[in-house]
Amino acid sequence: GAVVSQHPSRVICKSGTSVKIECRSLDFQATTMFWYRQFPKQSLMLMATSNEGSKATYEQGVEKDKFLINHASLTLSTLTVTSAHPEDSSFYICSASPGLARETQYFGPGTRLLVL
Amino acid sequence: GENVEQHPSTLSVQEGDSAVIKCTYSDSASNYFPWYKQELGKRPQLIIDIRSNVGEKKDQRIAVTLNKTAKHFSLHITETQPEDSAVYFCAAEGDTGRRALTFGSGTRLQVQP
Repeated sequence: GAVVSQHPSRVICKSGTSVKIECRSLDFQATTMFWYRQFPKQSLMLMATSNEGSKATYEQGVEKDKFLINHASLTLSTLTVTSAHPEDSSFYICSASPGLARETQYFGPGTRLLVL
Repeated sequence: GENVEQHPSTLSVQEGDSAVIKCTYSDSASNYFPWYKQELGKRPQLIIDIRSNVGEKKDQRIAVTLNKTAKHFSLHITETQPEDSAVYFCAAEGDTGRRALTFGSGTRLQVQP
């Protein structure tokens, strides 16, 4: 149980285009999902907290107009990188916790984004 | 906000030896501390976690200890095997309302056969 999927697994795009990444909880409902970014050989940095049916909460320094988050259902959250630039190239990973109580976060497999 | 520091950044041990990774955190309100193992290009996998009402937890070759007074927690791996080689991250849940995790900088563990 507690499986989280992400799509696509990797994407290459031209500078200026937008890229949408999907995060799904496959066997549980998640009222909250988290989006992280990980640069090579670095740690995971929380970008935003995605809340079902409400606006996302962004971490300091993360542009909400550039990284659009939508949590349309209890099993799906999307991250859209708008007008992507080479510096946005990174490994984007989502996570989710089953249930409402404080429980373990399970991570998706990640999406490797390369902006040319 | 929460700040988590992790040491060492790299650790090389001989197969069969023990490995210890240490983390400190800043937010005294934090009360959930998971450890994740990440292999190259893959997702972080939870290997063990501990909550603040417990001082130690063990699962086979892996154990975690927590000292809330000193605000530090450690991962102990005994009888290391080459497949234990990976990057290990500690984390702390600092904002009880959002359940967001703050990660340490990671430790690259290399187990030499």
